[in-house]
Amino acid sequence: EAGVAQSPRYKIIEKRQSVAFWCNPISGHATLYWYQQILGQGPKLLIQFQNNGVVDDSQLPKDRFSAERLKGVDSTLKIQPAKLEDSAVYLCASSLASVGYGYTFGSGTRLTVV
Amino acid sequence: KNEVEQSPQNLTAQEGEFITINCSYSVGISALHWLQQHPGGGIVSLFMLSSGKKKHGRLIATINIQEKHSSLHITASHPRDSAVYICAIGGADKLIFGTGTRLQVFP
Repeated sequence: EAGVAQSPRYKIIEKRQSVAFWCNPISGHATLYWYQQILGQGPKLLIQFQNNGVVDDSQLPKDRFSAERLKGVDSTLKIQPAKLEDSAVYLCASSLASVGYGYTFGSGTRLTVV
Repeated sequence: KNEVEQSPQNLTAQEGEFITINCSYSVGISALHWLQQHPGGGIVSLFMLSSGKKKHGRLIATINIQEKHSSLHITASHPRDSAVYICAIGGADKLIFGTGTRLQVFP
């Protein structure tokens, strides 16, 4: 079974620039999550999709972050404009239903904002 | 107080040693996950537990639901086990993560 695919693997941008991350979950996984992990901390949930609908985006900084999951499959996470404090690893994960089933992480995108 | 507490935060060991990482939590859960994160950032799911004990190779995970406590054990540790080990609890609909235990195993 293929894993959760994420791209790019690394990205360096200047502050105030825009950036987009892409995630392709495991086939058949209805639930997709985007996490932000700042160095030395555990992952923080940014947004959770169930199919193509948003379940939880309470911790997503909506003034600069946006995410979409068209057709309930692939997802993109965008930051516009980026700030220095956005430097982190952005992890995508997917699961069959709730967090108890087939929870799988992607390899993450390491973002550095300079 | 965090809902998920891990100990120790940092751990060093000599190759071959038996290692234990602990996780305590304060809320009701549907499942507990042990995850491994290597320096590149990617996370691998090691175990998902809702009761009892699971074993995979040199890794053993246990959970005591009544005491709200789980342990991850690594037998005959090896330098390639060096990574951050994260405990995460599954509630109704999301994971809550501990801050991780950084393990370094020296030859």
